[in-house]
Amino acid sequence: AQTVTQSQPEMSVQEAETVTLSCTYDTSESDYYLFWYKQPPSRQMILVIRQEAYKQQNATENRFSVNFQKAAKSFSLKISDSQLGDAAMYFCAYRGMQGGSEKLVFGKGMKLTVNP
Amino acid sequence: GAVVSQHPSWVICKSGTSVKIECRSLDFQATTMFWYRQFPKQSLMLMATSNEGSKATYEQGVEKDKFLINHASLTLSTLTVTSAHPEDSSFYICSARAGRFYEQYFGPGTRLTVT
Repeated sequence: AQTVTQSQPEMSVQEAETVTLSCTYDTSESDYYLFWYKQPPSRQMILVIRQEAYKQQNATENRFSVNFQKAAKSFSLKISDSQLGDAAMYFCAYRGMQGGSEKLVFGKGMKLTVNP
Repeated sequence: GAVVSQHPSWVICKSGTSVKIECRSLDFQATTMFWYRQFPKQSLMLMATSNEGSKATYEQGVEKDKFLINHASLTLSTLTVTSAHPEDSSFYICSARAGRFYEQYFGPGTRLTVT
């Protein structure tokens, strides 16, 4: 079974600084998707970024970018120019591509605090 | 696009009663929806996968008779917590599959408190 590990339960960053959130996963599949979701205090889950495993290029969405290391099974999220609105729980998630593998496997999450 | 709503956002019910939570895809059709449960400061736990027109697939350890799921249309799935008990108090979140990458778009969640 696939597992997703977020080893840092909490992090903090100063506004305008850069922070990197780590995530590792375990799978025997060769093709899959990886996601970072954000859950602010409203508890609405928001998709931050998606990475397809067959793509070598790291995904980027404005201030958010990932460092995808397939061999190491590592998928970290970098937030540049941190803003107060980035404060939230961040969940790393895995989804297989084989039939019947639509389920998302979530990590335990990491609480990010942004200090003004 | 890809907006998912849930109703109600917060419900309080008495022990022994049943409560229904609705999950709607507002601007797209969703053949597959998912129901999650989230305890405070914890991650999301998948309860079941709901497919339109067929029986839901429950995760191991989730009581089918207690958590009834009905996906009667392409835009609506419901979760009914039957004979609720205080330990069923939790935050319930639904999501709907959409897009070319079959991404999951989440509803805002429903807080259930059983007294």
